[in-house]
Amino acid sequence: EVQLVESGGGLVQPGGSLRLSCTASGFTFSNYWMHWVRQAPGKGLVWVSRIHSDGSNRDYADFVKGRFTVSRDNAKNTLYLQMNSLRAEDTAVYYCARGGADYQWRDLLDYWGQGTLVTVSS
Amino acid sequence: ETVLTQSPDFQSVTPKEKVTITCRASQSIGSSLHWYQQKPDQSPKLLIKYASQSISGVPSRFSGSGSGTDFTLTINSLEAEDAAAYYCHQSSNFPITFGQGTRLEIK
Repeated sequence: EVQLVESGGGLVQPGGSLRLSCTASGFTFSNYWMHWVRQAPGKGLVWVSRIHSDGSNRDYADFVKGRFTVSRDNAKNTLYLQMNSLRAEDTAVYYCARGGADYQWRDLLDYWGQGTLVTVSS
Repeated sequence: ETVLTQSPDFQSVTPKEKVTITCRASQSIGSSLHWYQQKPDQSPKLLIKYASQSISGVPSRFSGSGSGTDFTLTINSLEAEDAAAYYCHQSSNFPITFGQGTRLEIK
């Protein structure tokens, strides 16, 4: 059974940093693209970032570029999102989601974690 | 950026009704359109991929159609457990984007 478990969320002051983790199980993690998607309270889904199966290719939404960094450790089956210079508008539940194994399917998000809440407030 | 516009934003329906949710893309996306269901306090669940392809384990009352810029999610014979928000998502153009969501309330 595919499982994705996020952790690392919490309350942080504006300008602060946080690192989210997503631990995967039930599939060969190193074969798949992985994504981060966020959802502000009461709002819709917004894509944040993606990373190639071997970490060689990373992409970001414009509103996090230069502040967030996605990475992965395939030996630990874990995806990360380092978030710096956090702003109030970054407050959201952050989900990790599995993309495809092949390039053409990379953006089909077939499994999602339960999410971790990040609150940016003073 | 490809903007996805869903309609309606909200619908209140009775059990056994047929429901249709539409998703319109600001530019052609072929069939790279997927549908998700998100129940309260849960993560999204993939319902339909590539406009019309079914997903294992998803009830057959859920179906999708469309291509290019206009897409439809149909729920036949609605059940109480279908109360949720529904989102479309395109994977054709970077960045990937989602519709604003349609919330279904069961009367």
